[in-house]
Amino acid sequence: KAGVTQTPRYLIKTRGQQVTLSCSPISGHRSVSWYQQTPGQGLQFLFEYFSETQRNKGNFPGRFSGRQFSNSRSEMNVSTLELGDSALYLCASSSGIRTGGVGTFGSGTRLTVV
Amino acid sequence: AQSVTQLDSQVPVFEEAPVELRCNYSSSVSVYLFWYVQYPNQGLQLLLKYLSGSTLVESINGFEAEFNKSQTSFHLRKPSVHISDTAEYFCAVMETSGSRLTFGEGTQLTVNP
Repeated sequence: KAGVTQTPRYLIKTRGQQVTLSCSPISGHRSVSWYQQTPGQGLQFLFEYFSETQRNKGNFPGRFSGRQFSNSRSEMNVSTLELGDSALYLCASSSGIRTGGVGTFGSGTRLTVV
Repeated sequence: AQSVTQLDSQVPVFEEAPVELRCNYSSSVSVYLFWYVQYPNQGLQLLLKYLSGSTLVESINGFEAEFNKSQTSFHLRKPSVHISDTAEYFCAVMETSGSRLTFGEGTQLTVNP
């Protein structure tokens, strides 16, 4: 069974640009969650999508958005990049059934904003 | 809202020594508890989880954690560590009715020969 695939693995962008990251979940999983990991703030929840609908949202500005497609693949977009957006972005996929199934994480996309 | 505190940011130990990584949490609702491990340049791997039942949970690679409701703790222990256990460890909680993980700041475990 293939794991969670995040693309690209590494990305360098310039301040003010926008970026789109992709997450392909494990086959059959309907929930995708996104997390941001930085040295200063640690691991923080961005949002969760389940069956193409945003089910939960963290405390991030509107520049951070996401979507999920009918095949459960998810993308997250960050517009007007700031230096502080440099981070490892992780996604996790799960069945979406809320019984403690936390899902499987991908290897992440490391975004560097210069 | 929930919060998680990992009491040690760095824990250096010698190979074959025992180790304990401490985790305390705060929540006004029932939660599930987790430990994750992260190796350099990789994502998070679930080490073990407490959902219900026995308060002592074990992983396949020798780690164990005990849920203590009165002390709101979920400390991770291993009786004898290996060099390969060197990694960052994260404690996390999730509301039993939710799907969002709240993480602690992480503990860097370094096993020295």
